[in-house]
This record gives sequence, structure tokens and C-alpha cells, in this order.
Amino acid sequence: DIQMTQSPSTLSASVGDRVTITCRASQSISNLLAWYQQKPGKAPKLLIYKASSLENGVPSRFSGGGSGTEFTLTISGLQPDDFATYYCQQYDSYSFTFGPGTKVDFK
Amino acid sequence: QVQLVESGGGVVQPGRSLRLSCAASGFTFSSYDMHWVRQAPGKGLEWVAAIWYEGRNKRHDGSDKVYADSVKGRFTLSRDNSNNTLFLQMNSLSAEDTAVYYCARPAGSSVSWRYFDLWGRGTLVTVSS
Repeated sequence: DIQMTQSPSTLSASVGDRVTITCRASQSISNLLAWYQQKPGKAPKLLIYKASSLENGVPSRFSGGGSGTEFTLTISGLQPDDFATYYCQQYDSYSFTFGPGTKVDFK
Repeated sequence: QVQLVESGGGVVQPGRSLRLSCAASGFTFSSYDMHWVRQAPGKGLEWVAAIWYEGRNKRHDGSDKVYADSVKGRFTLSRDNSNNTLFLQMNSLSAEDTAVYYCARPAGSSVSWRYFDLWGRGTLVTVSS
């Protein structure tokens, strides 16, 4: 099975900061990677698919990049609504593995 | 409106069974693969199982379902396309199965579209004596 890792596990930041989360796959997954945002008690929300495509309705301050085994999620100008946990997910194989998550909290 | 609504969660004793349902509306349910994803309290997301849409070519082993190793042989996925409902039959439950169970729909069936663009709110399953 494909394993996914994320770094950092926790990221402390302030409103207006530019933050970047890294996700790595144990083998190449081309660009078959999605990013989700989850807030406490809520279902995950799709942000990015195909590594860099922005889901409809998601603010343009979110951007994704990478291919193969290394990927990034960048938030340019962190907003109060962005404090949440972020997960990457590979959908190249039928294990649909999620990364362990990155919690973005207030510095 | 386009939505998924899970039900059937609750408290169940170890070793017992539980059946979850996911009611779909606002889209052509029969045309989509459907998935379950779970999240243990305070933990991350874990993909559980998927079932193919009606008419999709079966897997090499002849099945139209795939399961995570952690639930294989204990959980069974089914669907009722006439009533737009997905089911997850969970047997031989243990404390490790305690989680919020989400129903999720991929954007499409081809490999490039298998990310989840629609999620339900989830239903909590607690396995405890």
C-alpha cells in the first residue's frame, strides 16, 4: 500500500501569514493527490484535486503543487477561517490513503 | 439539493453487529462509485471501503467492492440504487472500530476523478461494553 506522510504535524501561525504544508507519498502517484480541510465536528471539505486544481468555491489563497512523491499546500495570507486540520489523500491506488494531518493553529 | 445523510450509528457491544445507511439525494446515485471513510476520536481519516457504480466493469477478481485490510472479512458494502441508499454491514466489531463513519462520493469513476467532492456529516459508532 502507498503510505502518505505530512509535515509539520502542527503549524502555529498568525493571520496574514503564508503557510506551506508538505505531503509525501511512498511511491509515485503522478498528480493523483487531493487536499482536504477539516474543522472540529465537521466533515472534510475538498480544497485541491489533481495536486494543483482548485475546487469550485475555494478561495484563491489556497494553492497546491507537486507531482510524483512530493506535494505542497500553500495558504497565501492566512485568514481566521483557515485555522483547521489539513489532510492530503492519494487516489492513485485503491487504498485511498490519507496523510496523518496537519493542524494549523494560532501562534 | 446534493447531499449524503448517514444514519445507523450508536453504541454497540464488542463482537456485535451494526448496519449503517447513507441516503443520497440530488444526483444520479447509480452512476457513482460510493465510499465509506472513518475517523476515530481525535485521529485522522481512514478509508474503509468502496463499491462500484452499476454497470462498471468488475475488478480482476470479479468483485465490485474493495475493502481496507482493517475491515476485510468483517464489513460488507451494498447499495440499493432504486432507493439511492448505500449500506455498510459491520460485523465482529471491536473497540478499534469506534469512529465517525462518513459516506463519500468521488467526483467521477475514472482514475483522475476519484477524489471525494461530496461528504456526509457522519454517524458515530461507539463499540463498548
